[in-house]
Amino acid sequence: DAGVIQSPRHEVTEMGQEVTLRCKPISGHDYLFWYRQTMMRGLELLIYFNNNVPIDDSGMPEDRFSAKMPNASFSTLKIQPSEPRDSAVYFCASSLGAGGFTNEKLFFGSGTQLSVL
Amino acid sequence: GQQLNQSPQSMFIQEGEDVSMNCTSSSIFNTWLWYKQDPGEGPVLLIALYKAGELTSNGRLTAQFGITRKDSFLNISASIPSDVGIYFCAGSKTSGSRLTFGEGTQLTVNP
Repeated sequence: DAGVIQSPRHEVTEMGQEVTLRCKPISGHDYLFWYRQTMMRGLELLIYFNNNVPIDDSGMPEDRFSAKMPNASFSTLKIQPSEPRDSAVYFCASSLGAGGFTNEKLFFGSGTQLSVL
Repeated sequence: GQQLNQSPQSMFIQEGEDVSMNCTSSSIFNTWLWYKQDPGEGPVLLIALYKAGELTSNGRLTAQFGITRKDSFLNISASIPSDVGIYFCAGSKTSGSRLTFGEGTQLTVNP
């Protein structure tokens, strides 16, 4: 069974450019999460969706960041315009929301290493 | 905001040794989870704990949910080189609420 699939694995771009990160969650999972990982701040939750609807976007750092989930099998995280301080590893994760505590069991993708020059 | 404090930040051990790491919080969590992250990969769930006092094993790994619900421990017995990685604790206050992650413990195992 395929896990969470992220693309690209690596992205190098110049300041000011638009960056789009993509994620395909595990089929049947109801929750999708976008995290950012840096040495300074560790793993930070940016936004999460339940059944394609954004539930909590309080972690999105600025208006330059936006995320969409047009259907159950695809999500994007967009940064426009990008800045050097956005350099980090961005993870997508999904979980099965069948009630109870099951939605805490996150399955992470391999991440996108973003470098903004 | 919520914070989980992991210790130690890093560990350097010899193959075959046992390892202990812990995670503490100033507030109560109702779910504790332990993840491991290999270089260049995303974190992978190792153990999930749902009840205060619960002790759960997964192979050579054993984790406990502290009685006060403010801490959790992870032990690895007879470490091997593939145990190398970053171990994260994570906690959730209520079902469906966002997870809070600790800063991670970097484990190095020398053959």
